[in-house]
Amino acid sequence: QKEVEQDPGPLSVPEGAIVSLNCTYSNSAFQYFMWYRQYSRKGPELLMYTYSSGNKEDGRFTAQVDKSSKYISLFIRDSQPSDSATYLCAMTITGGSYIPTFGRGTSLIVHP
Amino acid sequence: GAVVSQHPSRVICKSGTSVKIECRSLDFQATTMFWYRQFPKQSLMLMATSNEGSKATYEQGVEKDKFLINHASLTLSTLTVTSAHPEDSSFYICSARDDIASGGTEQYFGPGTRLTVT
Repeated sequence: QKEVEQDPGPLSVPEGAIVSLNCTYSNSAFQYFMWYRQYSRKGPELLMYTYSSGNKEDGRFTAQVDKSSKYISLFIRDSQPSDSATYLCAMTITGGSYIPTFGRGTSLIVHP
Repeated sequence: GAVVSQHPSRVICKSGTSVKIECRSLDFQATTMFWYRQFPKQSLMLMATSNEGSKATYEQGVEKDKFLINHASLTLSTLTVTSAHPEDSSFYICSARDDIASGGTEQYFGPGTRLTVT
């Protein structure tokens, strides 16, 4: 079992839909959770980060962490074609070297 | 803020030659830099971690004599692929982190370098 599981997709949705992207993990020591967006042939871009459990909202994006279920989500409201990209979750334990463990990414396609 | 650049963006080289890729943090001091490799539709594979002025720490299975990493300053790290072979063709991405400012949690990625070895 990988430490971080993420469905590679692709996930195809119509413009304006609410998108839910998810990751599960096995290491209960993970405390810091990140979402990156990666456009084709580009480096990942940090979208959001959250510490421990709870929700965090930034514009159309909401990150949610449920540590009891070892499950994190990224919601995108009013999705746009420009949101089409691969979304990678990443997580790390606090303390130590903070080297994150990445999921394999979910490919999202928002069609007009 | 937090911009990381990489140069070149793509490079084609012949088998047996060496290629150097530069990674720069433009507006912050990168106390730690990371080098990743990414295959199509795959996640990021961490190759090595480097701290300024120290030798890089390589992940298991990564040949340190083949992938030379130098983190000579707080804004520059280089990855040299020595005696490149076609199987080294990949997308190489660096990332950088300011351990003092961010507490060691946020890392920022460069745009990547597409290496093709013919």
